[in-house]
Amino acid sequence: GAGVSQSPSNKVTEKGKDVELRCDPISGHTALYWYRQSLGQGLEFLIYFQGNSAPDKSGLPSDRFSAERTGGSVSTLTIQRTQQEDSAVYLCASSAGGDIQFFGPGTRLTVL
Amino acid sequence: GDSVTQMEGPVTLSEEAFLTINCTYTATGYPSLFWYVQYPGEGLQLLLKATKADDKGSNKGFEATYRKETTSFHLEKGSVQVSDSAVYFCALILNSGYSTLTFGKGTMLLVSP
Repeated sequence: GAGVSQSPSNKVTEKGKDVELRCDPISGHTALYWYRQSLGQGLEFLIYFQGNSAPDKSGLPSDRFSAERTGGSVSTLTIQRTQQEDSAVYLCASSAGGDIQFFGPGTRLTVL
Repeated sequence: GDSVTQMEGPVTLSEEAFLTINCTYTATGYPSLFWYVQYPGEGLQLLLKATKADDKGSNKGFEATYRKETTSFHLEKGSVQVSDSAVYFCALILNSGYSTLTFGKGTMLLVSP
């Protein structure tokens, strides 16, 4: 596609529910990143994919968070048993392997 | 670890005023430096970058110079416009091996007519 797309754009869920966030990177981009943007915390790195492998998961805040990438393209970030502190904007970025990352518009997650 | 420190906002200016947003960094290796901008309701966009000491990145009237001696990458614009109102993020990425972006906390800029 023309740019990185993410869905849904907004998600409201109840505490304890599971949610899935989707990212469609720019076609041909081998690297894919997930970040979290929350008030007071700025932008935090969550996980990095190179192809379908995730060599760096160091930013995932707990084992309730997981992510996968299939076909070297679409990625899904799953949050299980959501907590109120999970409320944030989740950003996805992709890269062709250089140092410039292209960001999607984000998914705003609200946990009630 | 690596880190980026930006001046806290919001920065409030009148149209045509001079803008400076300070950014300093600490890095374990030799980084490339970036400014990203986030307009209201939109995702992050790369504004400018610099990959080595004394390089100047520029775009849309914004400039920033990579100063290794002061570990700084301050963002400047000579005359801001209302349309520049946004959140600006300074970031770094190491040049050796795999690395991900490390961001500052962002500085909100509000420009009034």
